[in-house]
Amino acid sequence: KQEVTQIPAALSVPEGENLVLNCSFTDSAIYNLQWFRQDPGKGLTSLLLIQSSQREQTSGRLNASLDKSSGRSTLYIAASQPGDSATYLCAVRDYGQNFVFGPGTRLSVLP
Amino acid sequence: NAGVTQTPKFRVLKTGQSMTLLCAQDMNHEYMYWYRQDPGMGLRLIHYSVGEGTTAKGEVPDGYNVSRLKKQNFLLGLESAAPSQTSVYFCASGISSYEQYFGPGTRLTVT
Repeated sequence: KQEVTQIPAALSVPEGENLVLNCSFTDSAIYNLQWFRQDPGKGLTSLLLIQSSQREQTSGRLNASLDKSSGRSTLYIAASQPGDSATYLCAVRDYGQNFVFGPGTRLSVLP
Repeated sequence: NAGVTQTPKFRVLKTGQSMTLLCAQDMNHEYMYWYRQDPGMGLRLIHYSVGEGTTAKGEVPDGYNVSRLKKQNFLLGLESAAPSQTSVYFCASGISSYEQYFGPGTRLTVT
């Protein structure tokens, strides 16, 4: 059974820092991996999606990488801003319809 | 274009009561999903649908039923609510299983 973990569970950084969030999964037979952002009391917003054949995806200050063989993905946020404060979740999709989510990393960017 | 909407936003039920959560999307998406989110556990898939008239079980289907009579609507029913079903429920939809767009969530408390 696929399991997804995220480290750290919470992170607090000063504004302007570059930071890395980690996602690990136990079964490398994935179709894609997606990073989401969740603001308190809100739904999830998709940030980046990486297909299993890809190594990375970039959007603005965000860069996500995927290493299927080691079961890892990282989300890199450059020049963090207070508006980046949220919970970040990763989710892997297998070749069926199963999406498995990690528990999330709660990020606080201090002004 | 409202995207994915969920009704109601909040609900309190007594043990044994029944209710239906409504998810509606106006993006003509084929795929729709119901998740529950519990603290520290990430999102878990309850049921999903790959098109009008179809439904399938996800990871945690027990105690829930679903129906997809119209393409734009996906209903989640609790026939006899239990305190263990206290959670935040999210609906999502997608044009394929490639990506998901989430609703704002329904916070359900069962006493």
